[in-house]
Order: sequence, then C-alpha cells, then structure tokens
Amino acid sequence: NAGVTQTPKFRVLKTGQSMTLLCAQDMNHEYMYWYRQDPGMGLRLIHYSVGEGTTAKGEVPDGYNVSRLKKQNFLLGLESAAPSQTSVYFCASSYSIPAKDDEQFFGPGTRLTVL
Amino acid sequence: DAKTTQPTSMDCAEGRAANLPCNHSTISGNEYVYWYRQIHSQGPQYIIHGLKNNETNEMASLIITEDRKSSTLILPHATLRDTAVYYCIVPTSGGSNYKLTFGKGTLLTVNP
Repeated sequence: NAGVTQTPKFRVLKTGQSMTLLCAQDMNHEYMYWYRQDPGMGLRLIHYSVGEGTTAKGEVPDGYNVSRLKKQNFLLGLESAAPSQTSVYFCASSYSIPAKDDEQFFGPGTRLTVL
Repeated sequence: DAKTTQPTSMDCAEGRAANLPCNHSTISGNEYVYWYRQIHSQGPQYIIHGLKNNETNEMASLIITEDRKSSTLILPHATLRDTAVYYCIVPTSGGSNYKLTFGKGTLLTVNP
C-alpha cells in the first residue's frame, strides 16, 4: 500500500495564480483532511471530508476550496494565491475520528511558496 | 481539545530510554491521549494512543496515570532516527470532532 500520497511535492506560484493540490489514499478511509503548517507552529486544519461527496470547513478555510468526488481523492484548491498561503500542506486520512479511538495517516507534504 | 502541556525540548543519549511527559489535567473521562511525532520536513507519524490502561506497541509505551491527568511516552531504546518533535494530543470527545490540535510539542534530540 502506498498509504497517503500528495502531488506535487513542491510548487512556486505568483500572487493571483491558481493551483490544485491532490491527495490520494489507498486505505479505503472515509475521512480525509487538509492541514497547513507554518514555521514554528503546529498543524492547523483547513478543510475536511467525512465521506465521498462531502466537505466541511476547518479552522482556517478562507482562500481555499476542496472537493471529494472520489472516496480515495481529496483536492485542495487555491483560486487566487496570496503570499500568506506560503506554507507546507499536509493531507491525512482515517477510518474513523480521533475522538473515537482511531489514528490519522499523513502524507509527505506539499511545500508551496507564493511570491 | 483538552489542553496539553509538554516541555519544549529534551535530550537523550542513544540507546537509552527516552521518557517524554505530558500534562492534560482537564481531560474528560472518555477522551483518548494520542502521541504523534514529526521528523524534520516529514508528515506527522502516529505513535500510540490510550484511554485508561497503559499501552505498548512496536514503537513505544504509553503510561497514563491513574487519575489520567498526565502521561509519559517511553521510547525504550532511542536511536538517532528518533530525533523529532513529539506531540501529545487529547482530542475533544462528543459531537463530531474531527480535529487533531497540534501544539508546539517536545523537540527530542537523541545524541550519539
């Protein structure tokens, strides 16, 4: 099993450009998440999904959109990138939720720089 | 999430046991204690979790005090590859809480 994979690994954008980050998991997990991590800080949840066709906002959703058209994929979109979105983005997936005795599996991250 | 308190940093000699403490004095009776770690520039990695009883797996042991207000993660024979930031997390129970709240964690440095 590949686990959780993320594409691309690195990207540099100019302010105002758009892009989509792809997350894929092969563990048949229902739940998927997008986090961002800024230097010296912990991870913050951007959006999450509790199943195919569903999405919900996390704690820092502004400037991002997501889609979960297939169970194994979770896409994170930046419509008009801003320098404040320079960060490392991590995708995660899980069978259930942390409050109910289950772990999250994380991808290797996408390093995004917005100039 | 229930607030957790961890030391900012710790050192450990290679081959010795690393004991990482965590205080979670406001934990509720049905909330789990999770430990993750993040090796530099990589995605977080799950280590172990527990509710009331002590737990052990191939990576580590988790000791939870009887009153559940604190816990200790034990890496029995630390190696240089265990150098990482270790996060103690107590997800809020009840409702539909999907979030893991990562604080600043403990930077464990394993020295040769």
